[in-house]
Amino acid sequence: QKEVEQNSGPLSVPEGAIASLNCTYSDRGSQSFFWYRQYSGKSPELIMFIYSNGDKEDGRFTAQLNKASQYVSLLIRDSQPSDSATYLCAVISGGYNKLIFGAGTRLAVHP
Amino acid sequence: ETGVTQTPRHLVMGMTNKKSLKCEQHLGHNAMYWYKQSAKKPLELMFVYSLEERVENNSVPSRFSPECPNSSHLFLHLHTLQPEDSALYLCASSQEKTGLGGDTQYFGPGTRLTVL
Repeated sequence: QKEVEQNSGPLSVPEGAIASLNCTYSDRGSQSFFWYRQYSGKSPELIMFIYSNGDKEDGRFTAQLNKASQYVSLLIRDSQPSDSATYLCAVISGGYNKLIFGAGTRLAVHP
Repeated sequence: ETGVTQTPRHLVMGMTNKKSLKCEQHLGHNAMYWYKQSAKKPLELMFVYSLEERVENNSVPSRFSPECPNSSHLFLHLHTLQPEDSALYLCASSQEKTGLGGDTQYFGPGTRLTVL
């Protein structure tokens, strides 16, 4: 069983729409959750982290965490073509900040 | 993320070569990581160093040998690699904390390795 699961996509949304990216994880003991964005040929860059159940907003991005359902999501409001990238969900699992990544969801925002 | 640099950015090597990848972090962090990213696969954690001690070795073949001489530098020594080792190798660093909440890892630009 994969530890962190994401739909590979591509998720295609029109410019200005809300993009919704989802992630589930298997380790109930996980406490820390991260969303990274990765453009093609580049390294991952942090978008947001979330530790507590509920929503966390940062600009156009909102992370949502539901530990009971072992579910993390990322909402991108007013999507722009520049948001087109692969979005990686990552979960701290185990000691020494072992970060487990999902395979990523490719988002395509079309004008 | 300019706080973490990696050299070289691209490397082509034969299976009998020996080469090294270098990572340097300028963020004052105390933990450093090596990841491997192959096409169509999730990022795989290879090694973790905390306070210059290796604390995680994720079942990585011995042809990959890490070295952390100080908290700012991390190396990955490569020898007798296989073509399937071709991938993007990413270095990351973080500041370890205790208690609830993990530490954000910041990535370098990566080294694109091709093994012929």
